[in-house]
Amino acid sequence: SQQGEEDPQALSIQEGENATMNCSYKTSINNLQWYRQNSGRGLVHLILIRSNEREKHSGRLRVTLDTSKKSSSLLITASRAADTASYFCATDAGGSRGGADGLTFGKGTHLIIQP
Amino acid sequence: DSGVTQTPKHLITATGQRVTLRCSPRSGDLSVYWYQQSLDQGLQFLIQYYNGEERAKGNILERFSAQQFPDLHSELNLSSLELGDSALYFCASSVGVTYSGANVLTFGAGSRLTVL
Repeated sequence: SQQGEEDPQALSIQEGENATMNCSYKTSINNLQWYRQNSGRGLVHLILIRSNEREKHSGRLRVTLDTSKKSSSLLITASRAADTASYFCATDAGGSRGGADGLTFGKGTHLIIQP
Repeated sequence: DSGVTQTPKHLITATGQRVTLRCSPRSGDLSVYWYQQSLDQGLQFLIQYYNGEERAKGNILERFSAQQFPDLHSELNLSSLELGDSALYFCASSVGVTYSGANVLTFGAGSRLTVL
């Protein structure tokens, strides 16, 4: 079953605009990560935010985490055509054996940047 | 190049057949994960190995099995294939268990399996 659910499923914006994607999850987490996947390629890690953090920045990326609402958002500022990809949130709830369980991914938000 | 190598890149086979997907993790990573990605199910965690031992199991069918060898490469065996097994199969690796609990995965490019 999916832990994270991204919203919207698809988003199309003009180049230069900001893109915001949301993720909701169901159970307590140790951290939440965002990954990007270009069409048919492997996922690439973008950013990790721990459960005791509320906001994190990396270049044009800004991630927020609200553990009380079990939600996170990813903001990409000044979007570029190269940002066209699917974006996934992944939750790490930790396993009974030391946090080594696989990350649970949502179904992703497909972002299209129109030139 | 992420450092995680998957072979083959593409595989076309018939129902009822058996295939083996291979993964070499990034140098220094001890954990290997297998994921299945299909349009309707999204990215599903199948199984994880850490330093040769099974660590966690997800939605892996009984027809599927995996192992991690002493040199840390891993193989995913899919048998009695059905049309619904057509998907992208990803291998990912990580350093492994960390006390901080932060497990960042590095993904391979995937193996696209088509069952006809």
